[in-house]
Amino acid sequence: AQSVTQLGSHVSVSEGALVLLRCNYSSSVPPYLFWYVQYPNQGLQLLLKYTTGATLVKGINGFEAEFKKSETSFHLTKPSAHMSDAAEYFCAVSEEGSQGNLIFGKGTKLSVKP
Amino acid sequence: GAGVSQSPSNKVTEKGKDVELRCDPISGHTALYWYRQSLGQGLEFLIYFQGNSAPDKSGLPSDRFSAERTGGSVSTLTIQRTQQEDSAVYLCASSLGRAKNTEAFFGQGTRLTVV
Repeated sequence: AQSVTQLGSHVSVSEGALVLLRCNYSSSVPPYLFWYVQYPNQGLQLLLKYTTGATLVKGINGFEAEFKKSETSFHLTKPSAHMSDAAEYFCAVSEEGSQGNLIFGKGTKLSVKP
Repeated sequence: GAGVSQSPSNKVTEKGKDVELRCDPISGHTALYWYRQSLGQGLEFLIYFQGNSAPDKSGLPSDRFSAERTGGSVSTLTIQRTQQEDSAVYLCASSLGRAKNTEAFFGQGTRLTVV
């Protein structure tokens, strides 16, 4: 069965600092991986996704993530945090051969200090 | 409409009552998902509809929960005999096809409070 683990339910960084949100997955077959962002009182919005091909994926708002099969990881990074990045971030996996539903991690709330 | 629409946006109900939550997906989207978001629990998968295939109900937490999708479009999530632990935000999403290939678009959710 697929599962997603996000290390750290809450991450706090200073404005301008590196953002690193961790995501590890368990999957018996090559997965498809996603990061979603949820701003306060809003629905989820896709940041980026990995399906096949290049393992470094660039998304919106300057975020990127790298798929590392050997580490079963898909960590999300951004070189310089902005106040507007404060939100909750969810990593999700969908498995080839499954019905296609997304399995989400429990989320990481990112705070950005001025 | 332009996006996934959910109604009501907020629902307060008494314990033991039944509730119905509605989701209008984006027109033309064949896939529709329901998730439950509880404090500290992240997004819990409930049920998934894909075209005319039998729905994946593996995430429904009990037989008090059911969902249907009429005409391949609007979906209704029904919770019977609500309990306090059912209090959560219920999110609906839709996508053009299977999630692995296309982006899932989420509604803003229905916040259910059982008192």
